[in-house]
Amino acid sequence: NAGVTQTPKFQVLKTGQSMTLQCAQDMNHNSMYWYRQDPGMGLRLIYYSASEGTTDKGEVPNGYNVSRLNKREFSLRLESAAPSQTSVYFCASSLGTPGWETQYFGPGTRLLVL
Amino acid sequence: QKEVEQNSGPLSVPEGAIASLNCTYSDRGSQSFFWYRQYSGKSPELIMSIYSNGDKEDGRFTAQLNKASQYVSLLIRDSQPSDSATYLCAVILTGTASKLTFGTGTRLQVTL
Repeated sequence: NAGVTQTPKFQVLKTGQSMTLQCAQDMNHNSMYWYRQDPGMGLRLIYYSASEGTTDKGEVPNGYNVSRLNKREFSLRLESAAPSQTSVYFCASSLGTPGWETQYFGPGTRLLVL
Repeated sequence: QKEVEQNSGPLSVPEGAIASLNCTYSDRGSQSFFWYRQYSGKSPELIMSIYSNGDKEDGRFTAQLNKASQYVSLLIRDSQPSDSATYLCAVILTGTASKLTFGTGTRLQVTL
C-alpha cells in the first residue's frame, strides 16, 4: 500500500498561472482533506470531503477549488496563483468521521509562486 | 487569543530526560485531542489521541488531558535524538463539524 500520494512534489508558478495538485489514497478511506502549512501559522484546512461526492470549505478556502473525483482521488486547483499561495500543501485521508479517525498525511507539495 | 496554542520552542532536553510539551485550547466544549509528530521536511504522523480526562500511555509517550484547565500535554520519557521533531497539538473545536484545528507546533531538540 502506498498510503496517500501527492503529485507533484515541487512546483514553481508565476503569478496568474493555474495548476492542479493531485492526491490519491489506496486505503479505502471515506474522508479526504487539503491543508496548507506556513511558517508560524501551523496547518490550516483549505477544503475537505467527508465522503465521495461531497466537499466543504475549511478555514482558508479563498483562491482554491477542489474536486472529489472518486473515492480515491481528491484534487486541489489554483485558478490564478498568487504569491500568498506559496506554501507546503498536504493532502490527508481518514477512514470515517472527520476528526474521530486518524488522519494519514501525504508527503506534501512544495509550491512557490513568483 | 489563538484557538490552540503551543510554545514554538525550541525545547531542548538531554538524551534520557523527560520532555514535556504543552498545549492549551480556547473552547471548553472540545472533546477530541491529538498529538502529531513532524520531522523536518516530512509530513505529520499521529502519535496519540486522547478523549477523556487523565493520562493515556503508549510506550514512552503519555498524553495528559485536563478539560477543566483546558490543556493537553505530551510527555516523552527517555528522550532519544530520534525524537527531535516538531510536535503538533490538534483539537476538534465545537461547531467545526469535527474538523481538526492545529496549533503551530513545538520544536523539540534532544541533545547528546
